[in-house]
Amino acid sequence: EAGVAQSPRYKIIEKRQSVAFWCNPISGHATLYWYQQILGQGPKLLIQFQNNGVVDDSQLPKDRFSAERLKGVDSTLKIQPAKLEDSAVYLCASSLDGHNEKLFFGSGTQLSVL
Amino acid sequence: GNSVTQMEGPVTLSEEAFLTINCTYTATGYPSLFWYVQYPGEGLQLLLKATKADDKGSNKGFEATYRKETTSFHLEKGSVQVSDSAVYFCAFSSGSARQLTFGSGTQLTVLP
Repeated sequence: EAGVAQSPRYKIIEKRQSVAFWCNPISGHATLYWYQQILGQGPKLLIQFQNNGVVDDSQLPKDRFSAERLKGVDSTLKIQPAKLEDSAVYLCASSLDGHNEKLFFGSGTQLSVL
Repeated sequence: GNSVTQMEGPVTLSEEAFLTINCTYTATGYPSLFWYVQYPGEGLQLLLKATKADDKGSNKGFEATYRKETTSFHLEKGSVQVSDSAVYFCAFSSGSARQLTFGSGTQLTVLP
């Protein structure tokens, strides 16, 4: 079974630039999550989708972050414009349903904002 | 608010040593408790879970017991191996959408 795919693996940008991350969840998984993991901290949920609808985006900084999952399969997370404090690993995860009992994580995209 | 306090690392042990990684949580309601593990170069993966008080989760020789009276979920293994070297995250799910809240992670290195 293929796992959660993320790209790119690494990204380096300058502050005020834009960046986008892509995630393809495990086939058949209805729920998709984006997490931000700052160095030395645990993952923090940014947004949760159930199919193509948003379940929770309460911790997403909506002035600069946006995410979509138009067809209920793959998803993109965008930051525009980026700030230095956005440097982190962005993790995508998926689960079969929305009960959060078992999440499958991708390897993440490591973002450095200079 | 909801939070997870996890034993700080890094932790370095010799092979076959006993492992304990402490985890306590603050949550409302009846959370489910988890340990996730991240091996070098890989994504996080579920190691074990417990969904109600006094449940014991176990996998790959690791165990953790849901202690509601002490709000704890300490991870233990009787004899660690080099291949157990990884970062371990304690987490719980709560709320109507069962959002996961993670601890900050504990880096474990096992030396041969």
